[in-house]
Parts: sequence; C-alpha cells; structure tokens
Amino acid sequence: NAGVTQTPKFRVLKTGQSMTLLCAQDMNHEYMYWYRQDPGMGLRLIHYSVGEGTTAKGEVPDGYNVSRLKKQNFLLGLESAAPSQTSVYFCASRPRFASYEQYFGPGTRLTVT
Amino acid sequence: AQSVTQLDSQVPVFEEAPVELRCNYSSSVSVYLFWYVQYPNQGLQLLLKYLSGSTLVESINGFEAEFNKSQTSFHLRKPSVHISDTAEYFCAVTQTQGGSEKLVFGKGTKLTVNP
Repeated sequence: NAGVTQTPKFRVLKTGQSMTLLCAQDMNHEYMYWYRQDPGMGLRLIHYSVGEGTTAKGEVPDGYNVSRLKKQNFLLGLESAAPSQTSVYFCASRPRFASYEQYFGPGTRLTVT
Repeated sequence: AQSVTQLDSQVPVFEEAPVELRCNYSSSVSVYLFWYVQYPNQGLQLLLKYLSGSTLVESINGFEAEFNKSQTSFHLRKPSVHISDTAEYFCAVTQTQGGSEKLVFGKGTKLTVNP
C-alpha cells in the first residue's frame, strides 16, 4: 500500500513551458486535492475533485487545470508556466465518509525560471 | 468562510522545555480540527484531530491539543520537547462549501528545538 504518490519529485521549467504533475492513490479514496505551499503562506487549495470525472476550483486556481479521468489519479497541468508558479505542490486524498483526515503525498518541487 | 490563525510563525525552544503552538479559527459552527506536522523536505502527516467527544486529544508522541469552543482555539502543547520535534506545524479546520468539505490551513509555525 503506497498511499499517495506524486510524480515527478523535482522539475525545473522555463517560463512558457507546460507540464503535468501526476498524483496517484491506492486507497480507493473519492476525494482528491491539489495544494501549493509557499513560504509563510501555508497550504493553499488549487483544485479538488469529489469523484471520478468531477473537478472544482479551490482558492488559487488561475493558471492551472486538472483532470480526474480515473478514480486513483488526479492530474495537475500548467499550460504556460510562470515564475509565480514556483512552489512545492502537494496532492492529498481522503475517503468520502470518514473523519475528514487528508492523506498527503511527498510533494513536487517546481521551479520556473 | 473559515480562516485559521497561527499566532506564531516561529517558536524556538530548548530541549526538554514545554511548548505551546497557538491556533485560532474564525467560525463558531461545528468544525473538525487538525494538527499536521511537516518534517524538513517531507509531506504533511496528521499529528492529531478533534472530531467530537473529549475536548482534549493526544498524539502518540506526547503532543496534545485542547478544543475550546468559546475561544475558538485549538492550541497544541507538549510538556517536554525533543530535538526530533523540530518541524513545521500546521493547524487546519474543515470548511463546508458547495456540499463538500475542505480543509483550511493556517500559515504554519516552525518549531525549532535547540540542544
């Protein structure tokens, strides 16, 4: 049982490039989340999904898109990366009916130059 | 909308000293409360949670937090810290919006335990 995994762990992009971050969970959780963590800002919710085929905007969705084609995967896309998107990105998941505890992945450190 | 305030961004303490990390949240409606810990270069791990029942909750490594509804607080305490407790600690509270529950996080408190 690997829990929540994220790919890649590190990435450097040039401004304007695109990329996709992959989050996978093997716990059969319905809910999945993407956060970004910046120094002194805590975690801010980018997008989330309450089930396969559904997504919704969080607190800071601009510049990002997401897809949940399979229950176990949640993809975060950057179509045209900007330096302001330099951050550490965390994925999390939780079951629909439970204690609301979210299980986090190890993070992806993204630098946009 | 919910908001979470962690009153101290950094807390330095000496080993074996007591520590309190403060957390206040904005809404008085029913909430679930969490403390997460993040060790350097790692993801977040759940430390403890309050869902209902006893207002004092404990973790397996000696931390405890007390839910105080009247003061809308959920402060984290440990009577004697270790070097290994050095980490960043995040308080979080549930927010129900659009029929789904999300977590709202505070900005974090960096605890540094010095020898």
